[in-house]
Amino acid sequence: DAGVIQSPRHEVTEMGQEVTLRCKPISGHDYLFWYRQTMMRGLELLIYFNNNVPIDDSGMPEDRFSAKMPNASFSTLKIQPSEPRDSAVYFCASSLAGQGAIDTQYFGPGTRLTVL
Amino acid sequence: DQQVKQNSPSLSVQEGRISILNCDYTNSMFDYFLWYKKYPAEGPTFLISISSIKDKNEDGRFTVFLNKSAKHLSLHIVPSQPGDSAVYFCAASEVKGGSEKLVFGKGTKLTVNP
Repeated sequence: DAGVIQSPRHEVTEMGQEVTLRCKPISGHDYLFWYRQTMMRGLELLIYFNNNVPIDDSGMPEDRFSAKMPNASFSTLKIQPSEPRDSAVYFCASSLAGQGAIDTQYFGPGTRLTVL
Repeated sequence: DQQVKQNSPSLSVQEGRISILNCDYTNSMFDYFLWYKKYPAEGPTFLISISSIKDKNEDGRFTVFLNKSAKHLSLHIVPSQPGDSAVYFCAASEVKGGSEKLVFGKGTKLTVNP
């Protein structure tokens, strides 16, 4: 299996622009998680889906952030408009219920976002 | 407020010696704890976990100890190898209102010197 795929790997944009991060989970997995890693806050959960349905979005920092999962094989995290403080590494992870959604989260390589 | 704390941002040990990474938590409702390992330019990978009903779990060179009364867990790596050099994240699971989350610490960067 190719693992969790994220694109782009690096994104540099200017303040005010819209940014879309993409994730393809491992085939067959029914949980999908979006995380953000910063020096100040470490690794924090933004939102997660179960069977394409958002379950908990309490970690989404502001209305500028939105996430969708239109089908089992694709999810997006959108920031509109972007701000310099959004600069971070964004990780997507997926897991399969029954194997323990908690301890078998497989992470993608991350997208490093820089907002100038 | 950080519910999972890794107070040592970095740790350096000699190859062959023991590495001990520490983690403290504040939420007494946490009932499952995990360690993840992360290499540069890669996502974190699951390393080892422990349930709150246990106080020790071992997997090869890696052992996790849990002290519930102290709200403290530690990861021991024996013997340490240069390939163990990475950032280690402590995480805890929180089940609240049907929501399952992983709460992570900020990580400890381990360097194992040859």
